[in-house]
Amino acid sequence: AQSVTQLGSHVSVSEGALVLLRCNYSSSVPPYLFWYVQYPNQGLQLLLKYTTGATLVKGINGFEAEFKKSETSFHLTKPSAHMSDAAEYFCAVSGGSNYKLTFGKGTLLTVNP
Amino acid sequence: EAGVAQSPRYKIIEKRQSVAFWCNPISGHATLYWYQQILGQGPKLLIQFQNNGVVDDSQLPKDRFSAERLKGVDSTLKIQPAKLEDSAVYLCASSPDAHREQYFGPGTRLTVT
Repeated sequence: AQSVTQLGSHVSVSEGALVLLRCNYSSSVPPYLFWYVQYPNQGLQLLLKYTTGATLVKGINGFEAEFKKSETSFHLTKPSAHMSDAAEYFCAVSGGSNYKLTFGKGTLLTVNP
Repeated sequence: EAGVAQSPRYKIIEKRQSVAFWCNPISGHATLYWYQQILGQGPKLLIQFQNNGVVDDSQLPKDRFSAERLKGVDSTLKIQPAKLEDSAVYLCASSPDAHREQYFGPGTRLTVT
């Protein structure tokens, strides 16, 4: 069984500031971890994923995330926020290669000018 | 490459009525998923198909929800009769197989009054 906890349902940053969205997971098997972004009235788009290998994963739009097994975390970061980053972000975990996803509740990112 | 298509995009019905949603996955994708996304929550898997067979429907409320994927391509999800708590966005996703990345459609927003 697996679960995801996203800390903070709403994060607000200024344009150009660091973006940090927090995700902790629980999994009984080595996890695969994902971050998705959802813009209003659209489906989910994959930002990045961790399966095996390098623990620092780079994704689209300048986002990256680091898998920390000891902390059971997979936090999403971006050095400099852009207005177009405003969206809802979901962290998800699967129990390895079966790719059956369990999602967190999401974090709404607001970017202020 | 065309993405996952869903229709209708929006639907408003009264409780106890029936409703059906349609999904056309990416061409060649064998695995198809239906998710329910209630406002303020992450998507929850309802049912997973592999070709035209059901792999996982453990979270599908079978007393009122049904889904089929005839010929292993398009899929329909039906609710009969609808309840107020069924108000949500219904997302369809597809994948080349169950061990690969999922691609999401734009979703159908259902409002039950």
